[in-house]
Amino acid sequence: QITLKESGPTLVKPTQTLTLTCTFSGFALSTRGVGVGWIRQPPGKALEWLALIYWDDDKRYSPSLKSRLTITKDTSKNQVVLTMTNMDPVDTSTYYCAQASLSSWSQYFHHWGQGTLVTVSS
Amino acid sequence: QSVLTQPPSVSGAPGQRVTISCTGSSSNIGAGYDVHWYQHLPGTAPKLLIYGNTNRPSGVPDRFSGSKSGTSASLAITGLQAEDEADYYCQSYDTSLSGFYVFGAGTKVAVL
Repeated sequence: QITLKESGPTLVKPTQTLTLTCTFSGFALSTRGVGVGWIRQPPGKALEWLALIYWDDDKRYSPSLKSRLTITKDTSKNQVVLTMTNMDPVDTSTYYCAQASLSSWSQYFHHWGQGTLVTVSS
Repeated sequence: QSVLTQPPSVSGAPGQRVTISCTGSSSNIGAGYDVHWYQHLPGTAPKLLIYGNTNRPSGVPDRFSGSKSGTSASLAITGLQAEDEADYYCQSYDTSLSGFYVFGAGTKVAVL
């Protein structure tokens, strides 16, 4: 059974750095073709992909947020960490991590965490 | 503005068939990248509904089906049920500056 769970602060102040941890089980991030991504959803808006880390430690970021994002993995702990700098109220969202299945022409998010709501407010 | 275009909403009576379109471009769907669909109920995690254009993960009813042609894809729900009322998102891979993993803006399915 594959599970993912997001953890981190529920409230951050503007300009602060957000650090979210995704703890997963049931799969190995060292397996070829596997990745873990972060996706967010502002209240009442659509899903937005943020970042993804591949089994070989390659990383991809949303171009619009690339300067603010860092994604890392700790394979031994089965964790992926996302940091987002210079938080703003518009970053208020539910943040999801998800296991990605990755091949040359097909990349999708198979299993998702329950999500964590992060509010940015002073 | 999303790279993948979906209608904001569709509706149907119980038992009817509804379809949701997802229109992309030559940098994503038209380039040959697969389209995937997710069902999202408020307050829950999104659920993979269709992957690789037409494939259903284990446990997804065969009332849900996907197709792809050219720069577009579609999700069809036949025998619409009250429990199908949710938001549906298409997703693909994009090679332009818009990003790598792109989602549509979502379609709200209402069961009348």
